[in-house]
Amino acid sequence: NAGVTQTPKFQVLKTGQSMTLQCAQDMNHEYMSWYRQDPGMGLRLIHYSVGAGITDQGEVPNGYNVSRSTTEDFPLRLLSAAPSQTSVYFCASSSPSWGGVGNEQFFGPGTRLTVL
Amino acid sequence: AQSVTQPDIHITVSEGASLELRCNYSYGATPYLFWYVQSPGQGLQLLLKYFSGDTLVQGIKGFEAEFKRSQSSFNLRKPSVHWSDAAEYFCAVRKMGTYKYIFGTGTRLKVLA
Repeated sequence: NAGVTQTPKFQVLKTGQSMTLQCAQDMNHEYMSWYRQDPGMGLRLIHYSVGAGITDQGEVPNGYNVSRSTTEDFPLRLLSAAPSQTSVYFCASSSPSWGGVGNEQFFGPGTRLTVL
Repeated sequence: AQSVTQPDIHITVSEGASLELRCNYSYGATPYLFWYVQSPGQGLQLLLKYFSGDTLVQGIKGFEAEFKRSQSSFNLRKPSVHWSDAAEYFCAVRKMGTYKYIFGTGTRLKVLA
């Protein structure tokens, strides 16, 4: 199992450019999520999905779009990048059970994004 | 508003000393509770979790945490710190019946040789 994979590892964008951060998992997890990590602010939830075709907003969704067409993939799109979106982005997945072993979130290695 | 507080931004301990990292949460009911560790440039790794039952939970790498309902706390402890424990530690909660995880702002641990 590769676990949760993210591409690219690093990206530099100019203001106004668009891009998609890729996230994939091979654990058949129904739940997937995107976080951004900024110094002194911990991880903040951007969007999440509880299954294919189902997405919802997290704490900081503005400026980001997501879709979930398959169980495995959960891409994050920046339509018009802004310097405030400079951050490290983490994707995570978990199985949906409400208790026991299934609740652990598995994290990808992160994507470091800089917007100039 | 629901929140998770890690009051210590930085902690420095000597190798071999004991460690306690604090975490407090504000929810109406007991949520699911987690501690994660992040080494520099890496993703997050789960140390331990609490859902119910015994309030003292054991995790990986010799860590343990104690849930105290009366104090709304879930503090992480280790009896003897190793230099390799230097990292950032995050407390997280997930309210029962939801999929949203809320993370604290993290505590960065430095270990002196």
